[in-house]
Amino acid sequence: GAGVSQSPSNKVTEKGKDVELRCDPISGHTALYWYRQSLGQGLEFLIYFQGNSAPDKSGLPSDRFSAERTGGSVSTLTIQRTQQEDSAVYLCASSLWAGGSYEQYFGPGTRLTVT
Amino acid sequence: GENVEQHPSTLSVQEGDSAVIKCTYSDSASNYFPWYKQELGKGPQLIIDIRSNVGEKKDQRIAVTLNKTAKHFSLHITETQPEDSAVYFCAASASGGSYIPTFGRGTSLIVHP
Repeated sequence: GAGVSQSPSNKVTEKGKDVELRCDPISGHTALYWYRQSLGQGLEFLIYFQGNSAPDKSGLPSDRFSAERTGGSVSTLTIQRTQQEDSAVYLCASSLWAGGSYEQYFGPGTRLTVT
Repeated sequence: GENVEQHPSTLSVQEGDSAVIKCTYSDSASNYFPWYKQELGKGPQLIIDIRSNVGEKKDQRIAVTLNKTAKHFSLHITETQPEDSAVYFCAASASGGSYIPTFGRGTSLIVHP
């Protein structure tokens, strides 16, 4: 079946511009996560959606970052007034159930480059 | 919160050798320990996981061991092949709606033919 998809696969933007990154999770998965992966680094947690509950935004690095999940499915991560340090690969993952102890299925990521 | 340490950061082996990657965690509430493999240009993919009610799990050439007392778990790959070359991440999390997996910083495994 279809896995997690993300778009665009690559995004180059100028410093100060806003960008939107999209994630289509696996149908029926209730949990959705966003991570940031800088070059040679691990996975930095950004935000977590669990069903209809309020999202856990504890990992967002600044108020320039926001995300929403519409209809319990598609999610959009928005970065306003991008900075060069925002350059990274942004990964989205979904899992069947929430609660941390279920396999996460990752998308291929969006590589963001801020010039 | 949970803290996961992963070592080594880079591991270079010859084809056919074994590879071992080790992780430690800090939160005694953690009870789920997955391992993910990330190939170049792709997202991480689960290769094996273990829950705290078992000490070891095997799947062909891959095995994971867990020592809850010492709070560490390890990935063992035997008879390594060039296609095993990738970045491997360990993670730890607990059951419950508010728990989010914490990942290690990754190990770059290079298998030389």
